[in-house]
This record gives sequence, structure tokens and C-alpha cells, in this order.
Amino acid sequence: QKEVEQNSGPLSVPEGAIASLNCTYSDRVSQSFFWYRQYSGKSPELIMSIYSNGDKEDGRFTAQLNKASQYVSLLIRDSQPSDSATYLCAVKGYGGATNKLIFGTGTLLAVQP
Amino acid sequence: NAGVMQNPRHLVRRRGQEARLRCSPMKGHSHVYWYRQLPEEGLKFMVYLQKENIIDESGMPKERFSAEFPKEGPSILRIQQVVRGDSAAYFCASSPQSNQPETQYFGPGTRLLVL
Repeated sequence: QKEVEQNSGPLSVPEGAIASLNCTYSDRVSQSFFWYRQYSGKSPELIMSIYSNGDKEDGRFTAQLNKASQYVSLLIRDSQPSDSATYLCAVKGYGGATNKLIFGTGTLLAVQP
Repeated sequence: NAGVMQNPRHLVRRRGQEARLRCSPMKGHSHVYWYRQLPEEGLKFMVYLQKENIIDESGMPKERFSAEFPKEGPSILRIQQVVRGDSAAYFCASSPQSNQPETQYFGPGTRLLVL
């Protein structure tokens, strides 16, 4: 079982719709979760971090965390073509003093104009 | 307010040569991380360093790869005797010495091509 799992996509949504991106993780003690956006050929860009169960909103983005189900999601409201990118879910590694992030393989989002 | 800087942005090496990748963290950041992204694969953690210390090198290959973050100057990821399988994008990230030091900001990456 992979430590962080995402559907690879592509996830295709029409412009203006809500895009829902999902991620599950295997380590029950994980406490810190992140969503990054990566355009083709570019570096990952931090969008959201979330640490507590529930929702966290920032502009058009909402991160949702359910630790009991080991599930974290990202909602993008009013999707725009410029949101088309690969979205990476990341979980802070466990054990010791490490701050390493464990990434899923990413979900490719395509917003159709 | 400069972000994480990496150089070179592109590096071409022949098999058997050495590759040196440099990373300067964001101002005020004292934690540096190196990740590798192979074509069509996800980001994989390699090493986590603070000034003059390697904190976690659990993702580093056992041979040919080394990393340092000296008291002065950038962090260096060094790959000796490169092979074609080393061709990848190498990203550096940094985070602050503060609450939530795991919040990492990425540099533009170095694309290494081994011929």
C-alpha cells in the first residue's frame, strides 16, 4: 500500500464548476497535510496546509481533513482554465525529527473553457 | 523578497561525470530539503539538512549521492559518477526555524540530463 494515494486523473471539469481532488494516507498518526499545485515543467507551489479535522478555506480553495478516515481533499470553486495543473497531496513524515514530506503521485486537473 | 534559488536550472552531464546542484534557501529559512522527481513519477524525498547538520538522509541512495549545508553558502547536492537513471528534476525546498517548520517552499529545480 502506498503511503499517500491520489487518483492520477485526468480530472476534467468545465469552467466555473467545482473541482474535487482526493487523497488518502496510510499512517494514522500523521498530523500535517499539504496541497501543492505543479504546472507542467515547473516547481510545486504551496496552496494550502491543514492540521485539524474539518474545513479550511482560502479564497476559492477549501481543504478538508478527516483523520478518522485518513482522508484529505481539496475543493476548487469556480474553476478556471488557469487552474489546470497537477495537484500534489503531501503528508509530513512520521518518526524522529524529520520534517520530510511524503507526496502522492498527483492528480492532473483539466478545466475546460 | 527572493524565494528559494537553485542553480544551475539545467545541467547536462555524460555518464561517469560529477553533478553539483546548489540551493540557497529563502531568507530567514534554516531548513533545507532535497527532492527528486523522475519523469512521470511523484516527488521523492532525499535528504533534510540544517546548517552543518544532516537531519534525515533516509531517501538518499547509498552510493554516489551526498549533500551538505555549510555554515556559509548554499546547500550542495553532489552526484558522483552519474548514470542515465539519475536524469530527473531535483528540487530544493526550505522552511523556517519556527512553528510548523514542515511548511516547505520549493525552488525552481535543476533539470539534470545524463547522456
